[in-house]
Amino acid sequence: SQQGEEDPQALSIQEGENATMNCSYKTSINNLQWYRQNSGRGLVHLILIRSNEREKHSGRLRVTLDTSKKSSSLLITASRAADTASYFCPRSSNTGNQFYFGTGTSLTVIP
Amino acid sequence: GAVVSQHPSWVICKSGTSVKIECRSLDFQATTMFWYRQFPKQSLMLMATSNEGSKATYEQGVEKDKFLINHASLTLSTLTVTSAHPEDSSFYICSAKFPGGHYNEQFFGPGTRLTVL
Repeated sequence: SQQGEEDPQALSIQEGENATMNCSYKTSINNLQWYRQNSGRGLVHLILIRSNEREKHSGRLRVTLDTSKKSSSLLITASRAADTASYFCPRSSNTGNQFYFGTGTSLTVIP
Repeated sequence: GAVVSQHPSWVICKSGTSVKIECRSLDFQATTMFWYRQFPKQSLMLMATSNEGSKATYEQGVEKDKFLINHASLTLSTLTVTSAHPEDSSFYICSAKFPGGHYNEQFFGPGTRLTVL
C-alpha cells in the first residue's frame, strides 16, 4: 500500500487568499481524489481527477495532475473561514478498493 | 451525493464492555464498506474492509477478534469493539464504496467518537 503524501503539513492564510496544497504518490494511478475533513467530522469528497486529465475545476477548487512527476495540487481560490479543515489525497490499494491516508494538510483560514 | 450515516455519533462506556457501531448507506446499496480509526491529530487508519455476505478483510495489525465486523445487508455494516479498554478510545469512521461506475469513490459517515473509561 502507498500512503498519500500531502504537503505542507500545515498552512495558515488570510481569508480571501488562495491556498495551494500538494500531493505526491509513488505508483501509477487510475485516478486521484481529494477529500476534506472538518475537525471531528467525517470526510467529504471534493474532486476526482483521472489519470488522463491534467486539470479539473469545481467551483473555487482547481486540481492539477502531473503523472510524470507523480504529483497533484489542490488550489482553493478566495478562501473562506469555512475552508478551515484537513485535506487528504488518499492512495488506492493495488486493487483500487482500499484507501490509505497520509497526514494531510491542515489548512487554517483566518477571518 | 450519496449519504452514509453512523450510529451512535458518540458513546462512553466502561472498560470491559462491548460497543456496537452501525454504518448505513441511506440511498444506495453498498457491497463494500470500510472501517477506519483516527486518533487525535492523526490521520485515518484503515482497519478493515467489510464485504456484504462474507467475512471482513482486516489490515495487518488489527485484531479481528477485538473488532468484529458484520455486513449482513447491502446497506448496513456494524463494528463491535469487544471488551473495550481506554486505548480503544478513538474516532471511528466508516465509508461505503459507491457501486458501479468506473471509479473507487467512497462516501464517508460522520464518525463515532468512542470514549472508554
